[in-house]
Amino acid sequence: AQSVTQLDSQVPVFEEAPVELRCNYSSSVSVYLFWYVQYPNQGLQLLLKYLSGSTLVKGINGFEAEFNKSQTSFHLRKPSVHISDTAEYFCAVSERGSYIPTFGRGTSLIVHP
Amino acid sequence: GAGVSQSPSNKVTEKGKDVELRCDPISGHTALYWYRQRLGQGLEFLIYFQGNSAPDKSGLPSDRFSAERTGESVSTLTIQRTQQEDSAVYLCASSPSGGGVPYEQYFGPGTRLTVT
Repeated sequence: AQSVTQLDSQVPVFEEAPVELRCNYSSSVSVYLFWYVQYPNQGLQLLLKYLSGSTLVKGINGFEAEFNKSQTSFHLRKPSVHISDTAEYFCAVSERGSYIPTFGRGTSLIVHP
Repeated sequence: GAGVSQSPSNKVTEKGKDVELRCDPISGHTALYWYRQRLGQGLEFLIYFQGNSAPDKSGLPSDRFSAERTGESVSTLTIQRTQQEDSAVYLCASSPSGGGVPYEQYFGPGTRLTVT
């Protein structure tokens, strides 16, 4: 069975600093990988996804993530964050052939001025 | 186009009462999911519908929880004899199948359930 670990429950960072949110997964088969963002009092929306091909994927709002198969990781990065990036970020994994994703517990990104 | 909608946005109920939560998916999306999100927790899968196939109920926490979906449209999640531990945000998501992007989900804003 698949599992997802987001090691950091909270990541505080100053505005315009770079940030990395970590996601590791375990699975015995090939996977699809997703990052979702949940702004305060809103539903989740997709930031980016890895399905196949290039391991570096770019998403909305300047975020990108790199799939590392050997390390079973899919870390999310942004070179310069804004106050408006303050939100909860969820990593999710779907095994190929399964329609039910597993979500991590989330990482709260807090951007300070 | 219209996104996933859920109603009510907030529900306060007394312990022991039954509640119904509604989800209207994006038109044409054959897959529909229900999740529970407790305060400070991740998303907990509850149930999955795909077209006219039998739903995957493997995530339902107890027999007090049930859900229905009419064809490929609206879904209702029912919680009977609510308990305080049922307090959470209940999220619905829909997803296209076939030629669309596989497994990407579109989420509704959620229903915040408070059991007093």
